[in-house]
Amino acid sequence: NAGVTQTPKFRILKIGQSMTLQCTQDMNHNYMYWYRQDPGMGLKLIYYSVGAGITDKGEVPNGYNVSRSTTEDFPLRLELAAPSQTSVYFCASSLPGGNQPQHFGDGTRLSIL
Amino acid sequence: RKEVEQDPGPFNVPEGATVAFNCTYSNSASQSFFWYRQDCRKEPKLLMSVYSSGNEDGRFTAQLNRASQYISLLIRDSKLSDSATYLCVVYSGGSNYKLTFGKGTLLTVNP
Repeated sequence: NAGVTQTPKFRILKIGQSMTLQCTQDMNHNYMYWYRQDPGMGLKLIYYSVGAGITDKGEVPNGYNVSRSTTEDFPLRLELAAPSQTSVYFCASSLPGGNQPQHFGDGTRLSIL
Repeated sequence: RKEVEQDPGPFNVPEGATVAFNCTYSNSASQSFFWYRQDCRKEPKLLMSVYSSGNEDGRFTAQLNRASQYISLLIRDSKLSDSATYLCVVYSGGSNYKLTFGKGTLLTVNP
């Protein structure tokens, strides 16, 4: 089982460029999440989805967009990259239920220069 | 008060030592509690859930004190491979199953 797969693993963008971070999971999880992690900080929730066609904002959604057309895929879009978006991005998925753990992809390291 | 607050660390301990991490949470309605482990430049992975009665998994013991809104993780007989950042994670309710992560406590086990 691949679990949660993120691509790319690393990327350098110029200010103002756009890109899509890909996330796919093969565990048939309805719930998917995007986080960012800055050095010395906890994970911050950007967006989440409770199923195909349903998305909602987390704590830090500004500058990002998401879509969820299938259960498997949950891409994160940066439209106008800014240096403040330099971070490590993690995608996660889970079954429904507050006692269910979240399974993480291995992250995308993004630098905006 | 921050939603989830952990010992700032870092902790440096010799192999074989016992080390304890503490975590407090602000929402008294919080329902589920976890400890995740994150290795350097890697993704977080579930270490263990924390149950009301306390639970143990090998060398790891987790405790929950709802009255004090406090969670702990005890690691006995530390191994070099235990070196990592330990994240305290809380689910505070709601149908979106959002988790709140602490900043983490870095543990380095030295030979």
